[in-house]
Amino acid sequence: KQEVTQIPAALSVPEGENLVLNCSFTDSAIYNLQWFRQDPGKGLTSLLLIQSSQREQTSGRLNASLDKSSGRSTLYIAASQPGDSATYLCAVETGANSKLTFGKGITLSVRP
Amino acid sequence: KAGVTQTPRYLIKTRGQQVTLSCSPISGHRSVSWYQQTPGQGLQFLFEYFSETQRNKGNFPGRFSGRQFSNSRSEMNVSTLELGDSALYLCASSLERSGAGTPLHFGNGTRLTVT
Repeated sequence: KQEVTQIPAALSVPEGENLVLNCSFTDSAIYNLQWFRQDPGKGLTSLLLIQSSQREQTSGRLNASLDKSSGRSTLYIAASQPGDSATYLCAVETGANSKLTFGKGITLSVRP
Repeated sequence: KAGVTQTPRYLIKTRGQQVTLSCSPISGHRSVSWYQQTPGQGLQFLFEYFSETQRNKGNFPGRFSGRQFSNSRSEMNVSTLELGDSALYLCASSLERSGAGTPLHFGNGTRLTVT
């Protein structure tokens, strides 16, 4: 059974800092990994999707990497801003039934 | 292009009642998935529909059911509501079914409170 872990559960950083959010998964036989952002009371916004054959994806100040063999992904946020404050979730798609398994998320607070 | 639309946004029901939630996917998307989000369990997969057929099902009791119509719109039904069913129910659509590597697009959810 696939398990996805995101540690720590919460993070507070000053504005302008570069930061890395970690995600680990137990079953390396994944189809893809997706990073999402969730603002309070809202749905999830897709940030980046990495296929199993890819090593990284970039969008603006965001860069996500994938190391399938070690069961890890990182989301790098450059020059953080208060508007980046949100909960960041990673999810992996695994198995014959292609179920998506989510981590519990990291709540990021960027202080002005 | 309109995003994923979920109605209603908020719902309050009492134990034992039943509820129906609605989801309209992004135009052209054929796959609709449903998730339950609670503070304790996080996001848990309920089921996925593609071309009006349930393709995947999570580990939820039979009280949770759904369907998809020919226009890809989907409904989720929960019967005999329990207090533990209080949660944010999220619907997500994608161009193709799971496993095809297309990203998920989520609606803002329906907040269900069971009293």
